[in-house]
Amino acid sequence: QVQLQESGPGLVKPSETLSLTCAVSGYSINSAYYWGWVRQPPRKDLEWIATISHSGSAYYNPSLRSRVTISLDTSRNQFSLRVNSVTAADTALYYCAREVQKEVAQFDSWGQGTLVTVSS
Amino acid sequence: DIQMTQSPSSLSASVGDRVTVSCRSSQSIGTYLNWYQQKPGEAPKLLIYAASFLQSAVPSRFSGSGSETDFTLTISGLQPEDFATYYCQQTYNAPRTTFGQGTRLEIK
Repeated sequence: QVQLQESGPGLVKPSETLSLTCAVSGYSINSAYYWGWVRQPPRKDLEWIATISHSGSAYYNPSLRSRVTISLDTSRNQFSLRVNSVTAADTALYYCAREVQKEVAQFDSWGQGTLVTVSS
Repeated sequence: DIQMTQSPSSLSASVGDRVTVSCRSSQSIGTYLNWYQQKPGEAPKLLIYAASFLQSAVPSRFSGSGSETDFTLTISGLQPEDFATYYCQQTYNAPRTTFGQGTRLEIK
């Protein structure tokens, strides 16, 4: 059974770069499927950030495209997210998830989330 | 972008009730619609995919229906563990995707 585990800095200063990693166990990320990031600001709704295919094709939320980079590290079986020039609006619980295609695309497995606070 | 609008934003119900949550898309998406349940402090959990297919291990009291622009999640016979927030998600242009704003189901 696939498991995903996010890791991140917890606290980031405004204007700096946020880096998050999702370690995947129980499945090789370069075999198939897509791998994505979703965030949830405190007491707010889910927002899709980015997704990357097992072959490395990246897709981004247009509203975040200019500040975000998603990447694969197949040697460590993990994928990562970088968000540049963060502001308080980037404070959120960040989830990584696996996207599978079963009839339609869906996020069928999620990490537990990692909280990121942007503050000086 | 495809916008997803859920209604109501919150609702109160009692154990044993039948409840429905609606989700409307800003354009036709066929049945590219999923439903998730999120409890406080937990990650979202997939309940329904492709509008009406029940995810493995999800109780049969959950059901989904609809197509094109209008979708419904129904819970028949609410259980205490069902009080949570429910989100719809469109994957018509997957991997690009959007979620609804959520419907919070509270105990009356």
